[in-house]
Amino acid sequence: AQSVTQLDSQVPVFEEAPVELRCNYSSSVSVYLFWYVQYPNQGLQLLLKYLSGSTLVKGINGFEAEFNKSQTSFHLRKPSVHISDTAEYFCAVMKTSYDKVIFGPGTSLSVIP
Amino acid sequence: NAGVTQTPKFQVLKTGQSMTLQCAQDMNHNSMYWYRQDPGMGLRLIYYSASEGTTDKGEVPNGYNVSRLNKREFSLRLESAAPSQTSVYFCASSRQTYEQYFGPGTRLTVT
Repeated sequence: AQSVTQLDSQVPVFEEAPVELRCNYSSSVSVYLFWYVQYPNQGLQLLLKYLSGSTLVKGINGFEAEFNKSQTSFHLRKPSVHISDTAEYFCAVMKTSYDKVIFGPGTSLSVIP
Repeated sequence: NAGVTQTPKFQVLKTGQSMTLQCAQDMNHNSMYWYRQDPGMGLRLIYYSASEGTTDKGEVPNGYNVSRLNKREFSLRLESAAPSQTSVYFCASSRQTYEQYFGPGTRLTVT
């Protein structure tokens, strides 16, 4: 069975500092990978996705993620965070042959002024 | 485009009462999903519908039923609400089962 681990439940970071949110998954087959963001009292929206091709994926709001197949990781990074990046971030995985998405437990990013 | 809409936004039920959460999308997506979100547990899939006329159980289907009324609408019914069903419920839709588009959520409290 697939599973998604987000090692950090909460990440505080100062404004304009870099941040990395970690995501690892377990799957014995090929997968698609996603990062979603949830702002307070809102639904989730897609930040970026990896389907195939280049392992470095760029998304909205200056975020990027790198797919590492050997380490089964898909860590999310941003070189300089803003106050507006304060939100909950979810990593998600889907088998390429299946139609269910498995979400990780989420990482709460707090940007400190 | 309104995207994915959900009604109601908030609901308080007493134990044993029933209710239906409504979801509609105007993006002509084939697949639709119902999730519940609880603190520290991420999103857990309750039911999904890969296409009009089909529904399948997800990770936590017990206590829920669904109806895919047409391509646009996918409803979630709680027949006899329990306090354990207190949660935030999200509906989502997707095209070709890739990225999902989420509604704003329904906050349900069962007392």
